[in-house]
Amino acid sequence: AQKITQTQPGMFVQEKEAVTLDCTYDTSDPSYGLFWYKQPSSGEMIFLIYQGSYDQQNATEGRYSLNFQKARKSANLVISASQLGDSAMYFCAMSSGGGGNKLTFGTGTQLKVEL
Amino acid sequence: GAVVSQHPSWVICKSGTSVKIECRSLDFQATTMFWYRQFPKQSLMLMATSNEGSKATYEQGVEKDKFLINHASLTLSTLTVTSAHPEDSSFYICSARDPGGANEKLFFGSGTQLSVL
Repeated sequence: AQKITQTQPGMFVQEKEAVTLDCTYDTSDPSYGLFWYKQPSSGEMIFLIYQGSYDQQNATEGRYSLNFQKARKSANLVISASQLGDSAMYFCAMSSGGGGNKLTFGTGTQLKVEL
Repeated sequence: GAVVSQHPSWVICKSGTSVKIECRSLDFQATTMFWYRQFPKQSLMLMATSNEGSKATYEQGVEKDKFLINHASLTLSTLTVTSAHPEDSSFYICSARDPGGANEKLFFGSGTQLSVL
Protein backbone atom coordinates (compact mmCIF):
# COMPACT_ATOMS: atom_id res chain seq x y z
CA ALA A 1 0.00 0.00 0.00
CA GLN A 2 1.07 3.53 -0.67
CA LYS A 3 1.12 6.24 1.92
CA ILE A 4 1.86 9.96 1.83
CA THR A 5 2.57 11.88 5.03
CA GLN A 6 2.46 15.64 5.38
CA THR A 7 3.23 16.54 8.98
CA GLN A 8 2.65 20.29 8.74
CA PRO A 9 -1.07 21.15 8.97
CA GLY A 10 -0.26 24.83 8.61
CA MET A 11 2.69 27.03 7.73
CA PHE A 12 3.34 30.75 7.75
CA VAL A 13 5.92 32.52 5.63
CA GLN A 14 6.69 36.14 5.00
CA GLU A 15 6.39 37.54 1.54
CA LYS A 16 9.56 37.14 -0.55
CA GLU A 17 10.93 34.47 1.76
CA ALA A 18 11.39 30.82 0.82
CA VAL A 19 9.37 28.04 2.45
CA THR A 20 9.70 24.28 2.53
CA LEU A 21 6.66 22.02 2.74
CA ASP A 22 7.45 18.53 3.94
CA CYS A 23 6.31 15.28 2.37
CA THR A 24 7.38 11.73 3.07
CA TYR A 25 6.12 8.67 1.30
CA ASP A 26 6.04 4.93 1.56
CA THR A 27 5.67 2.44 -1.24
CA SER A 28 6.95 -0.95 -2.27
CA ASP A 29 6.77 -0.12 -5.97
CA PRO A 30 10.17 0.51 -7.57
CA SER A 31 8.57 2.88 -10.06
CA TYR A 32 6.46 5.76 -8.84
CA GLY A 33 5.75 9.40 -9.37
CA LEU A 34 5.52 12.22 -6.88
CA PHE A 35 3.35 15.27 -7.41
CA TRP A 36 2.62 18.54 -5.70
CA TYR A 37 -0.69 20.32 -6.21
CA LYS A 38 -1.95 23.67 -5.01
CA GLN A 39 -5.58 24.02 -4.04
CA PRO A 40 -6.83 27.58 -3.52
CA SER A 41 -10.11 28.28 -1.79
CA SER A 42 -11.90 27.92 -5.12
CA GLY A 43 -11.21 24.19 -4.96
CA GLU A 44 -9.41 23.59 -8.22
CA MET A 45 -6.30 21.45 -8.15
CA ILE A 46 -3.37 23.20 -9.77
CA PHE A 47 -0.43 21.04 -10.82
CA LEU A 48 2.89 22.43 -9.60
CA ILE A 49 5.65 19.91 -10.08
CA TYR A 50 6.40 16.25 -10.77
CA GLN A 51 9.29 13.95 -9.86
CA GLY A 52 9.71 10.46 -11.24
CA SER A 53 11.34 7.88 -9.02
CA TYR A 54 14.09 7.28 -11.59
CA ASP A 55 14.78 10.93 -12.25
CA GLN A 56 18.37 11.73 -11.36
CA GLN A 57 17.88 15.43 -10.88
CA ASN A 58 15.50 17.29 -8.65
CA ALA A 59 12.56 18.75 -10.53
CA THR A 60 12.20 22.51 -10.85
CA GLU A 61 9.35 24.59 -12.24
CA GLY A 62 9.87 28.32 -11.90
CA ARG A 63 9.71 29.22 -8.22
CA TYR A 64 8.94 25.63 -7.28
CA SER A 65 11.55 22.98 -6.71
CA LEU A 66 11.25 19.49 -5.34
CA ASN A 67 13.90 18.28 -2.93
CA PHE A 68 13.84 14.56 -3.72
CA GLN A 69 15.73 12.38 -1.28
CA LYS A 70 15.00 8.83 -2.35
CA ALA A 71 16.83 7.06 0.47
CA ARG A 72 14.86 9.06 3.02
CA LYS A 73 11.65 8.72 0.98
CA SER A 74 11.04 12.42 1.12
CA ALA A 75 9.85 14.83 -1.55
CA ASN A 76 9.73 18.27 -0.01
CA LEU A 77 8.42 21.23 -1.98
CA VAL A 78 10.43 24.44 -1.86
CA ILE A 79 8.72 27.66 -2.86
CA SER A 80 11.12 30.53 -3.35
CA ALA A 81 10.26 34.23 -3.15
CA SER A 82 6.81 33.62 -1.69
CA GLN A 83 3.95 35.74 -2.94
CA LEU A 84 0.62 36.56 -1.36
CA GLY A 85 -1.03 34.54 -4.08
CA ASP A 86 0.78 31.43 -2.88
CA SER A 87 -1.54 31.25 0.12
CA ALA A 88 -3.45 28.01 -0.39
CA MET A 89 -3.61 24.35 0.58
CA TYR A 90 -0.78 22.25 -0.81
CA PHE A 91 -1.05 18.52 -1.39
CA CYS A 92 1.69 16.01 -1.98
CA ALA A 93 0.59 12.96 -3.95
CA MET A 94 2.03 9.75 -5.33
CA SER A 95 1.19 7.44 -8.18
CA SER A 96 2.47 3.95 -8.74
CA GLY A 97 4.15 2.87 -11.94
CA GLY A 98 5.23 6.39 -12.76
CA GLY A 99 2.81 9.22 -13.39
CA GLY A 100 -0.58 9.52 -14.94
CA ASN A 101 -2.34 7.03 -12.76
CA LYS A 102 -4.54 7.23 -9.73
CA LEU A 103 -3.07 9.30 -6.97
CA THR A 104 -2.72 8.83 -3.24
CA PHE A 105 -2.81 12.19 -1.49
CA GLY A 106 -1.38 13.45 1.75
CA THR A 107 -3.47 15.40 4.23
CA GLY A 108 -2.22 18.72 2.97
CA THR A 109 -0.47 21.80 4.34
CA GLN A 110 -2.25 25.13 4.58
CA LEU A 111 0.24 27.84 3.63
CA LYS A 112 -0.32 31.44 4.60
CA VAL A 113 1.91 34.12 3.13
CA GLU A 114 2.10 37.27 5.22
CA LEU A 115 3.28 40.78 4.45
CA GLY B 1 -5.04 26.24 -20.01
CA ALA B 2 -7.79 24.12 -18.55
CA VAL B 3 -8.06 20.82 -20.39
CA VAL B 4 -10.53 19.03 -18.16
CA SER B 5 -13.95 20.56 -17.76
CA GLN B 6 -16.23 19.60 -14.91
CA HIS B 7 -19.87 20.57 -14.63
CA PRO B 8 -21.66 21.75 -12.62
CA SER B 9 -19.41 23.71 -10.27
CA TRP B 10 -21.94 23.48 -7.50
CA VAL B 11 -25.31 21.89 -6.99
CA ILE B 12 -27.89 21.92 -4.25
CA CYS B 13 -30.46 19.17 -4.22
CA LYS B 14 -33.13 17.67 -2.02
CA SER B 15 -32.55 14.45 -0.17
CA GLY B 16 -33.59 11.46 -2.24
CA THR B 17 -32.87 12.97 -5.62
CA SER B 18 -30.08 12.01 -8.01
CA VAL B 19 -27.34 14.30 -9.22
CA LYS B 20 -25.18 13.87 -12.31
CA ILE B 21 -21.69 15.38 -12.58
CA GLU B 22 -19.87 15.52 -15.89
CA CYS B 23 -16.15 15.42 -16.54
CA ARG B 24 -14.90 16.17 -20.05
CA SER B 25 -11.44 16.13 -21.53
CA LEU B 26 -11.40 19.05 -23.92
CA ASP B 27 -8.49 18.50 -26.24
CA PHE B 28 -7.42 14.93 -25.70
CA GLN B 29 -8.97 11.51 -25.46
CA ALA B 30 -8.96 9.95 -22.03
CA THR B 31 -9.45 6.20 -21.79
CA THR B 32 -9.20 6.53 -18.03
CA MET B 33 -10.55 9.14 -15.70
CA PHE B 34 -10.55 9.24 -11.93
CA TRP B 35 -13.14 10.45 -9.46
CA TYR B 36 -12.18 11.82 -6.07
CA ARG B 37 -14.12 13.02 -3.08
CA GLN B 38 -13.00 15.65 -0.62
CA PHE B 39 -14.64 16.53 2.68
CA PRO B 40 -14.01 19.99 4.16
CA LYS B 41 -10.49 20.49 5.44
CA GLN B 42 -9.55 16.98 4.37
CA SER B 43 -7.57 15.33 1.64
CA LEU B 44 -8.78 13.91 -1.65
CA MET B 45 -9.85 10.30 -1.54
CA LEU B 46 -10.06 8.23 -4.71
CA MET B 47 -13.54 6.87 -5.25
CA ALA B 48 -13.23 5.05 -8.53
CA THR B 49 -11.41 4.68 -11.80
CA SER B 50 -13.59 5.30 -14.83
CA ASN B 51 -12.70 3.13 -17.83
CA GLU B 52 -13.97 3.97 -21.29
CA GLY B 53 -16.18 1.22 -22.63
CA SER B 54 -16.10 -0.91 -19.52
CA LYS B 55 -17.17 -0.94 -15.90
CA ALA B 56 -15.62 1.40 -13.42
CA THR B 57 -13.25 0.12 -10.78
CA TYR B 58 -14.34 1.20 -7.32
CA GLU B 59 -12.16 1.67 -4.29
CA GLN B 60 -12.88 -0.30 -1.17
CA GLY B 61 -15.78 1.07 0.78
CA VAL B 62 -17.32 3.01 -2.12
CA GLU B 63 -20.87 1.88 -2.96
CA LYS B 64 -21.18 1.02 -6.63
CA ASP B 65 -24.95 1.42 -6.64
CA LYS B 66 -24.72 4.74 -4.90
CA PHE B 67 -22.12 6.31 -7.15
CA LEU B 68 -22.81 5.32 -10.74
CA ILE B 69 -20.02 5.99 -13.20
CA ASN B 70 -20.44 5.96 -16.95
CA HIS B 71 -17.56 6.48 -19.35
CA ALA B 72 -19.39 6.21 -22.64
CA SER B 73 -16.92 8.11 -24.79
CA LEU B 74 -13.23 8.94 -24.83
CA THR B 75 -13.91 12.48 -23.68
CA LEU B 76 -16.72 12.14 -21.17
CA SER B 77 -17.17 10.44 -17.81
CA THR B 78 -20.18 11.01 -15.59
CA LEU B 79 -20.68 10.42 -11.90
CA THR B 80 -24.25 10.08 -10.71
CA VAL B 81 -24.96 10.28 -7.01
CA THR B 82 -28.17 8.31 -6.66
CA SER B 83 -30.73 8.97 -3.95
CA ALA B 84 -28.50 11.59 -2.42
CA HIS B 85 -28.52 12.16 1.33
CA PRO B 86 -26.95 14.90 3.44
CA GLU B 87 -23.94 12.70 4.20
CA ASP B 88 -23.17 12.71 0.46
CA SER B 89 -22.55 16.43 0.62
CA SER B 90 -18.96 16.86 -0.41
CA PHE B 91 -16.59 18.23 -3.04
CA TYR B 92 -16.25 15.88 -6.00
CA ILE B 93 -13.41 16.28 -8.46
CA CYS B 94 -12.30 14.34 -11.50
CA SER B 95 -8.96 13.93 -13.18
CA ALA B 96 -7.72 12.60 -16.48
CA ARG B 97 -4.42 11.92 -18.14
CA ASP B 98 -3.40 13.06 -21.56
CA PRO B 99 -2.00 9.83 -23.02
CA GLY B 100 0.03 11.78 -25.49
CA GLY B 101 1.68 13.86 -22.83
CA ALA B 102 4.39 13.33 -20.27
CA ASN B 103 3.79 11.47 -17.05
CA GLU B 104 2.95 14.62 -15.19
CA LYS B 105 0.14 15.55 -17.53
CA LEU B 106 -2.59 14.57 -15.12
CA PHE B 107 -5.24 17.25 -15.18
CA PHE B 108 -8.01 17.93 -12.73
CA GLY B 109 -11.43 19.38 -13.30
CA SER B 110 -12.51 22.40 -11.29
CA GLY B 111 -14.61 20.27 -8.95
CA THR B 112 -18.26 20.12 -7.98
CA GLN B 113 -19.54 21.15 -4.58
CA LEU B 114 -22.60 19.05 -3.78
CA SER B 115 -24.94 20.10 -0.99
CA VAL B 116 -27.81 17.78 -0.14
CA LEU B 117 -30.58 19.33 1.94
